[in-house]
Parts: sequence; C-alpha cells; structure tokens
Amino acid sequence: EDQVTQSPEALRLQEGESSSLNCSYTVSGLRGLFWYRQDPGKGPEFLFTLYSAGEEKEKERLKATLTKKESFLHITAPKPEDSATYLCAVQAEGTYKYIFGTGTRLKVLA
Amino acid sequence: DVKVTQSSRYLVKRTGEKVFLECVQDMDHENMFWYRQDPGLGLRLIYFSYDVKMKEKGDIPEGYSVSREKKERFSLILESASTNQTSMYLCASSLLGGSGANVLTFGAGSRLTVL
Repeated sequence: EDQVTQSPEALRLQEGESSSLNCSYTVSGLRGLFWYRQDPGKGPEFLFTLYSAGEEKEKERLKATLTKKESFLHITAPKPEDSATYLCAVQAEGTYKYIFGTGTRLKVLA
Repeated sequence: DVKVTQSSRYLVKRTGEKVFLECVQDMDHENMFWYRQDPGLGLRLIYFSYDVKMKEKGDIPEGYSVSREKKERFSLILESASTNQTSMYLCASSLLGGSGANVLTFGAGSRLTVL
C-alpha cells in the first residue's frame, strides 16, 4: 500500500538553528514527490517537486533532497517566518492520486 | 500563477442543511480535487474530476457529492450536513498528463462548522 510518513510531528528551533524534516515513502513507482508549506487556516503552498533519487532543489533557506525511500527538507538558519506546517506528498506512476503525510509543525523561536 | 478560488472561507451550518462549496480555477487545468483536512489525519481525498461531467470517488466519498458542469468550476455538495463533517475543505487543481508529476495547486480552504 502506498504510504507517506513524516517525522517529527512537531519541531521547535531557535532562530538560526538548522535542522531537517523527514518524509519516508512507500510507493509502487514514484512519479514525483512534493513539498508544501501550510500556514494556519490557509491552503498548502507549493515548494518543490522531486522526481528521481539524487535530485536536490533549493529555495532561500530550504533545500529538498530525495533518495529511493525518503526525502529530507533541510532548513538552514531558520527565521521565525519559516514557522509553518510542512507537508510531503507523493504521486505514484499510473495514478492521479496524491498521497499526503500528516505534516511536520515547525516553530522557530526568535 | 494558477489561482484556485474557494468561494467561502468560513461557514457555519446546522445539522441536516444542504451545503455547497464552490471552487474555481483560472488556468485551464483538467484535474480538480476536493480534500478534507483534519488534525492527525492529514489530507484525505473526497472526490476527483479529470474532465467536465466526469468524477471519481476518492478515499472518503460517503456523505458528499460533486458537480463539474464547466472546466473551471468544481463544486462539493453535502446533501445533509452532519457534525462529523466539520472540517477544513481544500480544493486543488492540476494539469492532466505530461511526462512528470503535476503540481497540485490549492485554494485557501473553506472552514466548515456543522452545529
């Protein structure tokens, strides 16, 4: 069964304290893996798509990496405005479905 | 940028009422989706549509129906609202096909409370 597991559920960091969020996935043929950011009471906002193992993408303080079993979202020197829930999703080959993890709630303290 | 607009941000309804949630996208996307999001359960797919008048059940379709009469518009209908349908409802759209996975673009969400 296709599955996405994110860890940790919640993470508190001091401003400037770098860390990584994990997304482990099981899927029968990966079409793509997505990272989204979601602020409270709002819809998810797209960050990255990764397609194959070894791929990396960066945007400001965020860097996403992908292996055959998991993806990491690295946050370098985070700021309070990076506080949000980060969602991971996968789309399997031959399907329209997107499987979402339950997210990591990140809080960055000033 | 693709915009997905959900007509109602906050709704409060009574048990048994009929509820319509409207979603419009402006970038000619073929696929449209309705999800509900609950704490600890993540996003769960209610219904999906890949073309006008076409729909497919997602993981939790019970108690819901949908309508897609125009390509840009996808409506979610709760025929008789119940308290367990209190949730955040998210509409999303994406392109159909292509060589890679297609990005889902979400609306701002509709927070429904059923009393």
